[in-house]
Amino acid sequence: GENVEQHPSTLSVQEGDSAVIKCTYSDSASNYFPWYKQELGKRPQLIIDIRSNVGEKKDQRIAVTLNKTAKHFSLHITETQPEDSAVYFCAASRGSGTYKYIFGTGTRLKVLA
Amino acid sequence: NAGVMQNPRHLVRRRGQEARLRCSPMKGHSHVYWYRQLPEEGLKFMVYLQKENIIDESGMPKERFSAEFPKEGPSILRIQQVVRGDSAAYFCASSDRGQGNEQFFGPGTRLTVL
Repeated sequence: GENVEQHPSTLSVQEGDSAVIKCTYSDSASNYFPWYKQELGKRPQLIIDIRSNVGEKKDQRIAVTLNKTAKHFSLHITETQPEDSAVYFCAASRGSGTYKYIFGTGTRLKVLA
Repeated sequence: NAGVMQNPRHLVRRRGQEARLRCSPMKGHSHVYWYRQLPEEGLKFMVYLQKENIIDESGMPKERFSAEFPKEGPSILRIQQVVRGDSAAYFCASSDRGQGNEQFFGPGTRLTVL
């Protein structure tokens, strides 16, 4: 069935260091991969997304890479800051039929000042 | 431009009662999705609706749960005869097109079943 695995479940980094979160999806029909940041008690908010026709996308300190062959995609945050501390979710979505998101299990990122 | 609205933000019900959760999508959006988030867990898809149609309800329990998105008015997620295991945050999201477009999330309804 459809599944998205996400690792690690928790990640602690020193302020200024980089953080990498990895996801693997199972549905080969997936072609859209968003990343959401969720602070405690708040709604998920999109931070970056990538489509299957692109291998990499960058937005300031955040980048996402996609390997369609291996069905892997990763989030990279450079120069981390304490306000980056949150739970991050990856998701995968199909390009036809149902456009539901299949979410990963989340990564709790803690940036230590 | 108001975002996705959900109400109530917090809902307390006793076991056996009914819960009605409302979602008003962003202006111009005709696609609505409901997700459930159990405490300390990820978001699980429940149902995907377009105006007056259920497109995908594969994530919604067959019993006690129903959803609608009428021609006029908000989308409604209805849970009948609630049980303690229904306690969760229920998020609604909307998009203006299905394929490959960002889903904008509402603030969620936190349901507590006593």
